[in-house]
Order: sequence, then structure tokens, then C-alpha cells
Amino acid sequence: DSGVTQTPKHLITATGQRVTLRCSPRSGDLSVYWYQQSLDQGLQFLIQYYNGEERAKGNILERFSAQQFPDLHSELNLSSLELGDSALYFCASSVVGRADTDTQYFGPGTRLTVL
Amino acid sequence: AQSVTQLGSHVSVSEGALVLLRCNYSSSVPPYLFWYVQYPNQGLQLLLKYTTGATLVKGINGFEAEFKKSETSFHLTKPSAHMSDAAEYFCAVSVSGYSTLTFGKGTMLLVSP
Repeated sequence: DSGVTQTPKHLITATGQRVTLRCSPRSGDLSVYWYQQSLDQGLQFLIQYYNGEERAKGNILERFSAQQFPDLHSELNLSSLELGDSALYFCASSVVGRADTDTQYFGPGTRLTVL
Repeated sequence: AQSVTQLGSHVSVSEGALVLLRCNYSSSVPPYLFWYVQYPNQGLQLLLKYTTGATLVKGINGFEAEFKKSETSFHLTKPSAHMSDAAEYFCAVSVSGYSTLTFGKGTMLLVSP
């Protein structure tokens, strides 16, 4: 158990819909990352937050958005869903968001299926 | 921009045999390098990382990796495979303290009795 929790574990929805994925970081971690894992694209970084502020952006679509709240939990919002958005979405957290000193701890993921 | 290439999407070994998973990186600056493992239906777990200093890095579960700048490689090895090592392994690179990780496509390690 990494200490990072993600809900829900599974999500099945239809094209065009909107969903929200939730992540609670490990206690004491200020930075949260979101990743998308799919068979064709592999593991792709989407976005990073540090203490409520966006720090880095990766291959995140405009239909996707995220935020980190004052209690440090984070939500990833996916809208106008397409079949290709079906994937495993991981949240990770680290203490201050530095690759050299921190370790990113990954949650168990949310499996999104778009029908 | 940095990138990672993992040679072989699948590697099969017998229990007790040497494990060698290959990773080559591309980076214009000295990189930070990582190996993560993903067991079925779980998130990724850090095995080991190289930031600075000793180029041979030891990780958990008996794995180690050596940073070879001249070969732009960071191959993962374990002297003797165990059935419990069967999982998917990801190599990742970061080019600065504040930069994010770029992952390779992953290598599935299969261990047969």
C-alpha cells in the first residue's frame, strides 16, 4: 500500500459524458501528478500540482482539467469523453515535487471504460 | 526533450536465471534515471534511481542498474530471477530536479519454473 488513494476503482460511462477522478496523496506530500496509461500510448504524464498550484503540464487534452484543493487532494475532470479516453488513470504524490530528491508514490489507479 | 527506449516489450527467463532489462535514454543534459515495477492490477513502485554519484545503483528485491553515460544506458539486472519478479518494468528519465518523468513503453518480464 503506497498510501495514495484513488476513487473510484472502476468507472464505466458513455461517449460524450463527463467524469471526475479523485486522488488523496500520502500524508505530508505536497505534490500530485496525474498519468494516463493505455495500450497504444503507454504511460503518459498529464499534469502536476504542487501545494494547490499547477507546476507542470504534459500531454493533457483541453477536454481534461485538474485541480488540487487546500486539503491537498486532487481531482481530474474528463469531459466530452471519447472511446479513446478509455485507459488506466494513475495519481502519484511526492513530498515537494523534485525528481532528484523525491520518490513518486503511485496509487492503484482508476480504470475508465468509455462505451 | 528527453526520451526513453526499452528494448523488448517482453522478456522471458527461467527461475534462477539472470534478468537483464534494457533501457537507453536520450537527454541533452545529465539525466536522473529510474526503474519502476508494476505488478498486475497495481500502481507503479520505485525499484531504484540514479541521480548523482555512484553509477551502480542497488534497489529493492535484489535489483540493480548501472548508469553508463558513454552508452546512454541504464540497464536493470538481477542475478537470479524469482517467480515473484514477474511484472512489467518501466524505465524513466528526468532532466532536472523539477522536471517530470518521461517513461518508456515498459517491458513485461515473464518467469517460468
